[in-house]
Amino acid sequence: DADVTQTPRNRITKTGKRIMLECSQTKGHDRMYWYRQDPGLGLRLIYYSFDVKDINKGEISDGYSVSRQAQAKFSLSLESAIPNQTALYFCATSNSLGSMETQYFGPGTRLLVL
Amino acid sequence: RKEVEQDPGPFNVPEGATVAFNCTYSNSASQSFFWYRQDCRKEPKLLMSVYSSGNEDGRFTAQLNRASQYISLLIRDSKLSDSATYLCGGSMNRDDKIIFGKGTRLHILP
Repeated sequence: DADVTQTPRNRITKTGKRIMLECSQTKGHDRMYWYRQDPGLGLRLIYYSFDVKDINKGEISDGYSVSRQAQAKFSLSLESAIPNQTALYFCATSNSLGSMETQYFGPGTRLLVL
Repeated sequence: RKEVEQDPGPFNVPEGATVAFNCTYSNSASQSFFWYRQDCRKEPKLLMSVYSSGNEDGRFTAQLNRASQYISLLIRDSKLSDSATYLCGGSMNRDDKIIFGKGTRLHILP
């Protein structure tokens, strides 16, 4: 089983709809992240969480919200989806312990907003 | 200026050749650096961390040049399977987020 899972893997929605993307991990990591990836723009950080109930804005948080109610789960919400939120979304986890911090990514969610 | 910058490529390299690309960073306080590999339509995966003394893993060598603020990735004896996008990333410390570059596309040609 994958250590970091994302649901759904693909989603098509309409402008104005609320949508939630889920991320779960079995790695026991304390830190979780949400990124979006667009062609030519690379990975951009949306929100991140260093522990349960800890929420931090990333580079492009406008139009998004997150929830971290349990260590293993980090959900991303688009309250009112718009077409320019069409992108590939990645969740990632990391462990604050250890000499170097590296991130482990989920398989991604492809979102299309019509 | 973006904090982490990379040449987007693509680098088109014949199989067996050596290829190198750099990644520059603007924040001199950055302490930790990484190279990730991303295959088409897949998630990024850690290729190697970059230590101050440089490190080598098989055909891959990563180096850090703090004076000029860049990290490099060298791939020797390139294979067709090395074709991918290579993302560099850096963070100031363990309690900071990683800032990624936009990635460099590498195509190994048969």
